[in-house]
Amino acid sequence: DGGITQSPKYLFRKEGQNVTLSCEQNLNHDAMYWYRQDPGQGLRLIYYSQIVNDFQKGDIAEGYSVSREKKESFPLTVTSAQKNPTAFYLCASSRNRATTNTIYFGEGSWLTVV
Amino acid sequence: DQQVKQNSPSLSVQEGRISILNCDYTNSMFDYFLWYKKYPAEGPTFLISISSIKDKNEDGRFTVFLNKSAKHLSLHIVPSQPGDSAVYFCAANDQTGANNLFFGTGTRLTVIP
Repeated sequence: DGGITQSPKYLFRKEGQNVTLSCEQNLNHDAMYWYRQDPGQGLRLIYYSQIVNDFQKGDIAEGYSVSREKKESFPLTVTSAQKNPTAFYLCASSRNRATTNTIYFGEGSWLTVV
Repeated sequence: DQQVKQNSPSLSVQEGRISILNCDYTNSMFDYFLWYKKYPAEGPTFLISISSIKDKNEDGRFTVFLNKSAKHLSLHIVPSQPGDSAVYFCAANDQTGANNLFFGTGTRLTVIP
């Protein structure tokens, strides 16, 4: 089955640590995205990537970093610089970045800072 | 500043009746609109979309209406089923070609059997 796989589902981080969330897709999509959801809020774009070895900041990129070394993979690192990292993180992909292409989401990853 | 707004955080509807979820937007550059359905601790699932050149799009029990002059869209679910109980997000895309979705805050729909 084609889809987007995020791991881990749940992750606990101590303050001051970096953590990396994995995102893999086998949909052959060129574009990939990371969103963050906080309670009572809509999803906000962290980073996006249109093609391999290229990525751009979204609305709330501070404290995050990404890489896109392979088409299938778009890992997100939450660094210690991110002041409020506790949230639900969603990875997504679309065939390309044309506006009419539907964005599909993974199952999400819960990150809690302890 | 929230460019896509869903002013009703929750809605309860009897099974078999119509559910109407509303969404307003402020950016006139938005030209493509989507509805996503989300269950707790899962990623959103694409439901239905509409381009700004249309005012209605229908897919089975789901219909989305777009009123560009009012910058308003709505999702109608008829008939509502208990399995429709979820959070529904409205999202919009602008014309920059960036495919950066702007999401509303969501409406929690509860369909009562």
